[in-house]
Amino acid sequence: KQEVTQIPAALSVPEGENLVLNCSFTDSAIYNLQWFRQDPGKGLTSLLLIQSSQREQTSGRLNASLDKSSGRSTLYIAASQPGDSATYLCAVRLIQGAQKLVFGQGTRLTINP
Amino acid sequence: SAVISQKPSRDICQRGTSLTIQCQVDSQVTMMFWYRQQPGQSLTLIATANQGSEATYESGFVIDKFPISRPNLTFSTLTVSNMSPEDSSIYLCSVNPGQPGDTQYFGPGTRLTVL
Repeated sequence: KQEVTQIPAALSVPEGENLVLNCSFTDSAIYNLQWFRQDPGKGLTSLLLIQSSQREQTSGRLNASLDKSSGRSTLYIAASQPGDSATYLCAVRLIQGAQKLVFGQGTRLTINP
Repeated sequence: SAVISQKPSRDICQRGTSLTIQCQVDSQVTMMFWYRQQPGQSLTLIATANQGSEATYESGFVIDKFPISRPNLTFSTLTVSNMSPEDSSIYLCSVNPGQPGDTQYFGPGTRLTVL
C-alpha cells in the first residue's frame, strides 16, 4: 500500500527566506507526483507536476524535484512572501488503480512579515 | 485545463438528514473523483464516478452512505446520507481531463458541518 509522508507538518519562517518542503513515498511505481497548495477552507490549486521520468520542474519561485528510486520529492520556495502562507500537499498518482492520487498529510506554511 | 464548480459551497445540516453535492465541469471528462477531507486531515478518495456505470468505491466507503450519480460527461452528484457529526468534512470533486500523466484539477469544495 502506497503511503505518502510530508515533513515538517508545520513551518513558520520570516519573509524573504528560502525554504524546502519534503515529501516521501513508499512505492516507486508511480505515474507522477503533483504538488498542490490549499488555502484555509478552500479547494486545491495545482502548483507543479513532475512525471516519473523527470527530475525537476520549475514555475516562478517554485522548484520541485523528484528522486523516484529513493521515494522522495522536495518543493523549494525561493524568497518567500506572506502570500505563500498556505498548506502544501504532495500527491502521487499510482500506476495501478486507475488515476488514483494518494496524498500526504500536508505541510502548513506560515510566512511572517 | 478544467474549471470545476461545486454547489453548495457550504452547509450546516442536522443529524440524520442527507445532503446532495453537485459538481459541474466545463469540459467532458471520462472519470470524476470525489474526495473527503476531514478536519485537520489530508484528502481521502471516496469513489471514482464513470459516466454510464456504477461508481467504484474505495475501502471504507459504501454506496448506501455515499450514493453517486453521473448522468453525463460534465456533471456528477455525491449524496451524504443519514449524516452524523463524523461526516463533517470538506468534500471535493476532482477530474483529470487529459491523459493519466496530466494535471489533476479540484473543485473549490463543499464544507459540511453536521450538528
